[in-house]
Amino acid sequence: AQTVTQSQPEMSVQEAETVTLSCTYDTSESDYYLFWYKQPPSRQMILVIRQEAYKQQNATENRFSVNFQKAAKSFSLKISDSQLGDAAMYFCAYRSPNTGNQFYFGTGTSLTVIP
Amino acid sequence: DAGVTQSPTHLIKTRGQQVTLRCSPKSGHDTVSWYQQALGQGPQFIFQYYEEEERQRGNFPDRFSGHQFPNYSSELNVNALLLGDSALYLCASSRAGWITEAFFGQGTRLTVV
Repeated sequence: AQTVTQSQPEMSVQEAETVTLSCTYDTSESDYYLFWYKQPPSRQMILVIRQEAYKQQNATENRFSVNFQKAAKSFSLKISDSQLGDAAMYFCAYRSPNTGNQFYFGTGTSLTVIP
Repeated sequence: DAGVTQSPTHLIKTRGQQVTLRCSPKSGHDTVSWYQQALGQGPQFIFQYYEEEERQRGNFPDRFSGHQFPNYSSELNVNALLLGDSALYLCASSRAGWITEAFFGQGTRLTVV
């Protein structure tokens, strides 16, 4: 089975600063998708950003961007100009049509934003 | 659009009891997946329903079963509850073939005492 590893259980960042959350994954597939989800205390998983493995260009969504290193199987999330509302659990996830489209999640990183 | 709705939001059950959780997918979505998220962990895939059939199953015992109705809504049933079944249960909806799009509900917090 595919595995997703988030090695940072907790991270903190000063408001307006930049923080990077790490994620590595293990797969033998060539066609897959990677996601970062945010889970605030409200518990609902909210999509932050996604990356198609066949695309070399790193995805960007406003203040959120990824560094996708396919050969290294690394998929980090960079949050620029951090805001108090960014405080949440962040989960890295993998999905592939060859494994039934189920999500494989990491264990999450708890992000604290310091005013 | 109400998005994905789950009910109830919280539930307390006693060991050995049975529980039913419900999920209504986002409008236009026909596929429902269920995940179990234990405290401090990432969600784990339980199973997926499409066209009223279980299409894929994760590593969960037969005590976990489900159903999908013609209107695409779904139920998760857990029999003979164990303390270890205490978790947040998340429902995710998507459209068949649309691997890049999935929406999650707010989950049902199940506590087994």
